[in-house]
Amino acid sequence: EAGVTQSPTHLIKTRGQQATLRCSPISGHTSVYWYQQALGLGLQFLLWYDEGEERNRGNFPPRFSGRQFPNYSSELNVNALELEDSALYLCASSLAHRDTEAFFGQGTRLTVV
Amino acid sequence: AQSVAQPEDQVNVAEGNPLTVKCTYSVSGNPYLFWYVQYPNRGLQFLLKYITGDNLVKGSYGFEAEFNKSQTSFHLKKPSALVSDSALYFCAVSGRGSYIPTFGRGTSLIVHP
Repeated sequence: EAGVTQSPTHLIKTRGQQATLRCSPISGHTSVYWYQQALGLGLQFLLWYDEGEERNRGNFPPRFSGRQFPNYSSELNVNALELEDSALYLCASSLAHRDTEAFFGQGTRLTVV
Repeated sequence: AQSVAQPEDQVNVAEGNPLTVKCTYSVSGNPYLFWYVQYPNRGLQFLLKYITGDNLVKGSYGFEAEFNKSQTSFHLKKPSALVSDSALYFCAVSGRGSYIPTFGRGTSLIVHP
């Protein structure tokens, strides 16, 4: 069974541009989480989607947004890119229960120059 | 709000010696606790979880963790470390207040030959 897949693996953008990151969850998982992993800061929660709806968002500005499609895949959009947006963006999926573990993709390395 | 603390940025241990990676948490109600491992430029891999029951939880690759409710801790342990265990380890918690796993900042484990 395929795991969580993210694309692209690497992305280089110029400051001010927009970036779109994609995530396909494990089959049967309805919840998708997005995290930002910047150097030395651990995993910072960005967004949670479940059953097509945004359920919660972390302490990030509105230029970080996304959506979840009917097939439960998800997209993260970052507008007006800033240098400090450079990070590894991780997507995880789960069955939306507190006692189940999340399964992570390999991440998208976003570099803003 | 729920939170996780991993008090050590780095743990160094000699191969063959026991290892411990510390984690303490704060959450409303009963905690759901998780450990993940991250190898360079990869996503996180699930190691083990505590939901209820026996305080000693066994997981992948010979790792185990001990839940201590009075100390609100969930330390990761392994009786005999391998060089290949060298990686970044994350503790996470979810609870009554939130489905969303909250992660610690991570602890870099370095196992010396």
